[in-house]
Amino acid sequence: GQQVQQSPASLVLQEGENAELQCNFSTSLNSMQWFYQRPGGSLVSLFYNPSGTKHSGRLTSTTVIKERRSSLHISSSQTTDSGTYLCALERTGNTGKLIFGLGTTLQVQP
Amino acid sequence: EAAVTQSPRNKVAVTGGKVTLSCNQTNNHNNMYWYRQDTGHGLRLIHYSYGAGSTEKGDIPDGYKASRPSQENFSLILELATPSQTSVYFCASGDATTSAETLYFGSGTRLTVL
Repeated sequence: GQQVQQSPASLVLQEGENAELQCNFSTSLNSMQWFYQRPGGSLVSLFYNPSGTKHSGRLTSTTVIKERRSSLHISSSQTTDSGTYLCALERTGNTGKLIFGLGTTLQVQP
Repeated sequence: EAAVTQSPRNKVAVTGGKVTLSCNQTNNHNNMYWYRQDTGHGLRLIHYSYGAGSTEKGDIPDGYKASRPSQENFSLILELATPSQTSVYFCASGDATTSAETLYFGSGTRLTVL
């Protein structure tokens, strides 16, 4: 089965609303990473987060290893946040070799 | 900013033909990766490399070869392309100087095998 599960699969927001994206994993990990995939394809790294909470502008990532979950919070969403958000698990002892979730597709409407 | 360039952006191939996807990075990163992305599967690791001259099998290597002739270049080779290899392919580079490794991805190559 899927070792990394993301929810929700899709989400529609009005501009200004907040979003909480979830990632659950079923195997031991070295770290969890979050990526943003632009419509049209390329991926951009958002967070490398082995544990705890990290902030970057309107984005917050929280990883709780013993609960096998990671979350991405987007505050005050903007239309430019639309796209797909992917979490990826870095397995213990396998630096850089990632197992990806299927993603959450976010659409922010004006 | 780190730069990873893939070519071609789009490719149509025939079943049984040979296909080479190219990737070039200007970051001087040691590590490079090839992933494919398919609906319902997400991104899956095909091959990776820890430096010039080295290639390693990822999670789904069957039907693919890889070549790393230099620090900058990493190619994915389909010797006998099949329709099941129709997909979007992403190359990435990274440098695990500590235990952390941020990956930088190219824009992808959309391959259609007829």
